[in-house]
Amino acid sequence: AAGVIQSPRHLIKEKRETATLKCYPIPRHDTVYWYQQGPGQDPQFLISFYEKMQSDKGSIPDRFSAQQFSDYHSELNMSSLELGDSALYFCASSRSGFTEAFFGQGTRLTVV
Amino acid sequence: KQEVTQIPAALSVPEGENLVLNCSFTDSAIYNLQWFRQDPGKGLTSLLLIQSSQREQTSGRLNASLDKSSGRSTLYIAASQPGDSATYLCAVITDSWGKLQFGAGTQVVVTP
Repeated sequence: AAGVIQSPRHLIKEKRETATLKCYPIPRHDTVYWYQQGPGQDPQFLISFYEKMQSDKGSIPDRFSAQQFSDYHSELNMSSLELGDSALYFCASSRSGFTEAFFGQGTRLTVV
Repeated sequence: KQEVTQIPAALSVPEGENLVLNCSFTDSAIYNLQWFRQDPGKGLTSLLLIQSSQREQTSGRLNASLDKSSGRSTLYIAASQPGDSATYLCAVITDSWGKLQFGAGTQVVVTP
C-alpha cells in the first residue's frame, strides 16, 4: 500500500540558510499535517492543510511557511535556519480530520 | 488546555509477558485517540485508532481501550516479543481539523 513519502530523508544546512521539505500524501487523502520532533521530545504540531487550504496552525515560527499544491503534495519552507531548528520533521496525511493519520518516515534536518 | 500523559516513561519486560501502557488526558472532549509506535530515529507507525464513541479496538496482539469520562486509554500488547521494543506514543485529536496532541511516550524494552 502507498505510504506518505517525504524528501529528502536527511538534510544538513548551515545557520541562516534556507531549507525546503517535501511531502507526498497517500492518494485520496485530503489533509496534510506537519510536525516537528526535537531530540527526546514528542512531536509538536506545526501546520495543516485541508483541500489545499491552511486549516490549522500550531507553534510554527514566522520563519517557516508551508503550502499544499494542486496535486496535494505539500512543502515546508524554512528560512534563516537556527541551530534549534535541528529536528525530525514529519508529514502526515489523513482522509479528513477524523480518520487515522499516517506518518511519513520524516526528514532529519541538521543545522550546523 | 489539553495535557496528555503517559506513565511509565520506560518499561522493561521479559519476552512473553503482557505489556500494559497507560495514557491519560485532561480534557475528555476528544474526537479520537490514536496509538503509535516509533523506533529510534524513525517515523511513527499507526497501531490503532479509537473513535470517541468506541470503548476498545483490537488488532492482532494489540488491544486498546478508551474511557473518555475518566480521561484514560490503555494499550495492551499480549505475549511480548523482542521486536516489540520501541517507544509507544498516544495522541488525542481535540478539534475537527485532526491535529494530534501527543504524550511523551513510553519506551519499551523486551528482553529475550
